Amino acid sequence: GNSVTQMEGPVTLSEEAFLTINCTYTATGYPSLFWYVQYPGEGLQLLLKATKADDKGSNKGFEATYRKETTSFHLEKGSVQVSDSAVYFCALSDPETSGSRLTFGEGTQLTVNP
Amino acid sequence: DSGVTQTPKHLITATGQRVTLRCSPRSGDLSVYWYQQSLDQGLQFLIHYYNGEERAKGNILERFSAQQFPDLHSELNLSSLELGDSALYFCASSARGGRSRQYFGPGTRLTVT
Repeated sequence: GNSVTQMEGPVTLSEEAFLTINCTYTATGYPSLFWYVQYPGEGLQLLLKATKADDKGSNKGFEATYRKETTSFHLEKGSVQVSDSAVYFCALSDPETSGSRLTFGEGTQLTVNP
Repeated sequence: DSGVTQTPKHLITATGQRVTLRCSPRSGDLSVYWYQQSLDQGLQFLIHYYNGEERAKGNILERFSAQQFPDLHSELNLSSLELGDSALYFCASSARGGRSRQYFGPGTRLTVT
């Protein structure tokens, strides 16, 4: 079946530091890949997505590239802010093999200190 | 604001009881998904409805059931509740299924005591 593995947290950084959160996946078909963010007390918001190999998703300074050869979709940001503190989830959707459900990683808690 | 509403926001109940969680999708969305977020299991897909019909089931217990009504709102029914059912339950909606973007509601936090 499909699965997503994220680097374990929590991650604590100082403001303006570089962020990488690793994500690798296993899928039988041709999945779409996503990063969702969950701020305290809120639901999940789509941060970015990529639908095919070598696509780069980007939003709010965050980027991730769909790497089929390494089955990875690592999240990066060049300079984090305190307001980026949240839980980040990597996810995949593989409609041809498992319908339109999202399969999530474990989540990574990010704390950015001033 | 995603446009997906869920009620109630919080629910506290005792073991053995039954509760109903409600979800209203974004205007025009035909698909509704339910997910459970718990400390030990993470975020798991429960069930997907499209235009009133069940489309897919995930790790949903037999004690749980769901339905989508003609006005497209959905309800998740949890019965014979156990302590381990304590979790955050999210509803998401999308225009169709397939690769349509899913929009998440704020969740219902269920505490079973």
